[in-house]
Amino acid sequence: SQQGEEDPQALSIQEGENATMNCSYKTSINNLQWYRQNSGRGLVHLILIRSNEREKHSGRLRVTLDTSKKSSSLLITASRAADTASYFCATLDTGRRALTFGSGTRLQVQP
Amino acid sequence: DAGVTQSPTHLIKTRGQQVTLRCSPKSGHDTVSWYQQALGQGPQFIFQYYEEEERQRGNFPDRFSGHQFPNYSSELNVNALLLGDSALYLCASSLRLAGGNEQFFGPGTRLTVL
Repeated sequence: SQQGEEDPQALSIQEGENATMNCSYKTSINNLQWYRQNSGRGLVHLILIRSNEREKHSGRLRVTLDTSKKSSSLLITASRAADTASYFCATLDTGRRALTFGSGTRLQVQP
Repeated sequence: DAGVTQSPTHLIKTRGQQVTLRCSPKSGHDTVSWYQQALGQGPQFIFQYYEEEERQRGNFPDRFSGHQFPNYSSELNVNALLLGDSALYLCASSLRLAGGNEQFFGPGTRLTVL
């Protein structure tokens, strides 16, 4: 079963705009990770945020984590057409070593 | 340094048949996890292998089984295929000591069951 929901399910923006995706989860976690998937192929790891962290940056990516609300957000700044992909959050639950994925957000960046 | 590789890329089977998918982990990784991704959904965890044993299992029936070899490569076997088994099957490798952080995914095997 899926861990939680991602919001929105689909997002279409213009190149240069910012894209924000949200993820909610249900259990106690060790960390939360964001992955990107192009055209139904393999997943690419983007960023990991630990349960004791509130915000993390990597290049044009900014991730926040609110463990009290069991939610996370991924912000992609100054988007590019190459950012077009599906984005998934995944949690590593306490006591487990396997990831539980959300349902994903499909991002379309128009050139 | 090769990443995670999977074979075959695509596979077409009929209901009731059996299938074997293969995965070679990233160099230096000792743990392999398998995920099933239905169209339009997020991946779902099938099971994880470490030291040639199944260590964790998701909510999948016994028709799904696996194996890990001494060189850390792994196989996923599915018996008595159903139409609903049509999906992208993803293999991910990681280092046990890393505790499940940052799993590296292969390109997947697209299985179609007719």
